[in-house]
Amino acid sequence: KQEVTQIPAALSVPEGENLVLNCSFTDSAIYNLQWFRQDPGKGLTSLLLIQSSQREQTSGRLNASLDKSSGRSTLYIAASQPGDSATYLCAVRPQDSNYQLIWGAGTKLIIKP
Amino acid sequence: DTEVTQTPKHLVMGMTNKKSLKCEQHMGHRAMYWYKQKAKKPPELMFVYSYEKLSINESVPSRFSPECPNSSLLNLHLHALQPEDSALYLCASSRYEAGANYGYTFGSGTRLTVV
Repeated sequence: KQEVTQIPAALSVPEGENLVLNCSFTDSAIYNLQWFRQDPGKGLTSLLLIQSSQREQTSGRLNASLDKSSGRSTLYIAASQPGDSATYLCAVRPQDSNYQLIWGAGTKLIIKP
Repeated sequence: DTEVTQTPKHLVMGMTNKKSLKCEQHMGHRAMYWYKQKAKKPPELMFVYSYEKLSINESVPSRFSPECPNSSLLNLHLHALQPEDSALYLCASSRYEAGANYGYTFGSGTRLTVV
């Protein structure tokens, strides 16, 4: 059974620092992995989608990597800003299901001005 | 248009009320989803529609009744809810093909409070 873990559960860093959020999964048979951002009480904003055949994706200050063989993905945020404060969730789409997403519990990120 | 639009954003209803949540997308996605999210937890899948037909019902109580009237709209009808049903209800859509390697687009959610 696929399980997704995100470490750390919470992270607080000063503004301007580069940081890495981690996501690990137990079964490498996935179609893709998606990183989402969620502000308190709000919906989910898709940040990056990495296909199973890809190693990384970049969007602005964000870079996500995928290592299927080791069951790991990282989300790198460069030059963090207070506006980056949110909960970051990763989700994998397993190959044995057309619809299910398996979610991590999220990392709550606080960027201190 | 690359958005999923949900209305209303907030809803307070009594346990005897009937209300509906609405979700709309114009991206041509043929799979649409309802998720329920409790505070500080990841979303939980409730229903999946593919090509306007119910594909998956994750053992959701019958007081939640989904409807997909066309390829752009998804409704969730609510009746006789309980206070523990209070949560953020999220709609999502994606392209549909067997084995497809596509991502999901989520709406901003409806914050439901049952009193």
